[in-house]
Amino acid sequence: DAKTTQPTSMDCAEGRAANLPCNHSTISGNEYVYWYRQIHSQGPQYIIHGLKNNETNEMASLIITEDRKSSTLILPHATLRDTAVYYCIVRVTSGTYKYIFGTGTRLKVLA
Amino acid sequence: GAVVSQHPSWVICKSGTSVKIECRSLDFQATTMFWYRQFPKQSLMLMATSNEGSKATYEQGVEKDKFLINHASLTLSTLTVTSAHPEDSSFYICSAYRGGANVLTFGAGSRLTVL
Repeated sequence: DAKTTQPTSMDCAEGRAANLPCNHSTISGNEYVYWYRQIHSQGPQYIIHGLKNNETNEMASLIITEDRKSSTLILPHATLRDTAVYYCIVRVTSGTYKYIFGTGTRLKVLA
Repeated sequence: GAVVSQHPSWVICKSGTSVKIECRSLDFQATTMFWYRQFPKQSLMLMATSNEGSKATYEQGVEKDKFLINHASLTLSTLTVTSAHPEDSSFYICSAYRGGANVLTFGAGSRLTVL
């Protein structure tokens, strides 16, 4: 199964861009990269996903390197409500899909 | 938007009793649902994959007789913790796969406390 590596924690100033890196060097060609976040004691919230191309939606942008071995989630203008644990997931395809969570990055947005 | 409802959101039970947690996809059909558990300050651990109309697939180390999963319809999966003990106390989270959007949508979670 493809594994992901993320920094344990990061701080970001309110209003600035938050750039969260993820390493997935063992990713296979047909495996998607997903990002979710979890605010304390809630279920994870979907943010964005991608395969090869960079993606953008109303919440964030996802930048995937050309070799697909790493990606970066960008929150363009972080707010205090973006404080959460952010998980980068490589969806495993082995018969059926599996979403395996790593340890995530605890992002703290500072006022 | 797609919503996954989980019930109950929290439950307290006595040791030895069984507890059922329901997971419903409210506005979409889900052929595949996933159950996770999460201990304090830890990440989510995948317990099992639930496919509509067939037996669940359990991850290594998860006792299938302890955690009974049923996915009887395209909108409902249930997790029953049988003969619960204090070590089963945890945050249980379900999720449903939306094939059209290629996205996994999570419920709000159920916190189980076994006394």
